[in-house]
Amino acid sequence: AQSVTQLGSHVSVSEGALVLLRCNYSSSVPPYLFWYVQYPNQGLQLLLKYTSAATLVKGINGFEAEFKKSETSFHLTKPSAHMSDAAEYFCAVSLTRGSNYKLTFGKGTLLTVNP
Amino acid sequence: GAVVSQHPSRVICKSGTSVKIECRSLDFQATTMFWYRQFPKQSLMLMATSNEGSKATYEQGVEKDKFLINHASLTLSTLTVTSAHPEDSSFYICSASLPEEIDYEQYFGPGTRLTVT
Repeated sequence: AQSVTQLGSHVSVSEGALVLLRCNYSSSVPPYLFWYVQYPNQGLQLLLKYTSAATLVKGINGFEAEFKKSETSFHLTKPSAHMSDAAEYFCAVSLTRGSNYKLTFGKGTLLTVNP
Repeated sequence: GAVVSQHPSRVICKSGTSVKIECRSLDFQATTMFWYRQFPKQSLMLMATSNEGSKATYEQGVEKDKFLINHASLTLSTLTVTSAHPEDSSFYICSASLPEEIDYEQYFGPGTRLTVT
């Protein structure tokens, strides 16, 4: 079984500031990990994914995340926030095999960016 | 590539009626499709997993007779909400994936907003 915990349901940053969205996972086998972004009334867009290659993963729109096995974490960062980054962010985990890669999502973190 | 569409994007129906939502993979053949439900300001809840040509596998607590899922082809899955009630109002999102040995990513549709009056 797997689970995801996103610390902080709401994160507020100033434009240009560092963005840090936290995600911790639990998995009985080595996981695949994902970060998705959702804008209001839209589906999910994949930001980045970890699939057991490089532990530092770079995604779209300047986001990156680092897989830390010892901390069971996969935090999402961006050096400088932009107004357009304001959205809901979901961390998700799937088992590597045998489950149709069924995703388990965290509860989400709403990011607001202040001018 | 890997585009998934949903139709309709929004639907309003009266209580007691049924409504069908389509999910299509536009440029690939999807071995597996997933249906999620999302309540306002909440996460996605997996409702069911469907493989082409076989019955859907429903998550615990999801009523099979209420949420009928048909995965008739490798590019189309449908979710029918039968005898809809106001509490069925929600945002429904589908996703599609390739065979496990090819890819491990789910590609999401844009979602369908269902309002039951």
